[in-house]
Amino acid sequence: KAGVTQTPRYLIKTRGQQVTLSCSPISGHRSVSWYQQTPGQGLQFLFEYFSETQRNKGNFPGRFSGRQFSNSRSEMNVSTLELGDSALYLCASQRVMNTEAFFGQGTRLTVV
Amino acid sequence: KQEVTQIPAALSVPEGENLVLNCSFTDSAIYNLQWFRQDPGKGLTSLLLIQSSQREQTSGRLNASLDKSSGRSTLYIAASQPGDSATYLCAVSNAGNNRKLIWGLGTSLAVNP
Repeated sequence: KAGVTQTPRYLIKTRGQQVTLSCSPISGHRSVSWYQQTPGQGLQFLFEYFSETQRNKGNFPGRFSGRQFSNSRSEMNVSTLELGDSALYLCASQRVMNTEAFFGQGTRLTVV
Repeated sequence: KQEVTQIPAALSVPEGENLVLNCSFTDSAIYNLQWFRQDPGKGLTSLLLIQSSQREQTSGRLNASLDKSSGRSTLYIAASQPGDSATYLCAVSNAGNNRKLIWGLGTSLAVNP
């Protein structure tokens, strides 16, 4: 059974650009959550999607957005990148909301 | 507002020792608590999930306990090995409508051969 797949694994972008990250959950899982991990802040919740609907949202600016497709794959987009957006972005897959969470390897975003 | 604290922040032990990692949370109204392991630069590996109605869960050399009333969980690692070296994170999911995971900052464990 394939795990959670995040692409790309690494990204380098310049300030002001935008970026799209992708997450394919475990087959049969319908809930996808996104987290930002930085050394100083730890893991911070971005948003959660279930059945193509955003169910929860964290305290991030509107530059951070996401969506979920009918096959449960999810994308998150960050526009007008800032240096402080450099982080490891992790995607969690759950069968349904509130069940055991399984994580991908993450996308390491560096903004220069 | 739920806050999760993990103590100690770092731990170094010789191989073979039994050890305990601690996780505390401020709001006892949780839905579940999950322990994860993270290797440097990598994603998270789920270790154990404890539902709010459970007292403990075991997987191999790992045992996690939950005391909701005191807001504490412990992860016990028996007979530690160098391969156990990693950062261990605990996360709680609150009861209620917003069940996002709320995280501690982790305990960085080094097991020395």
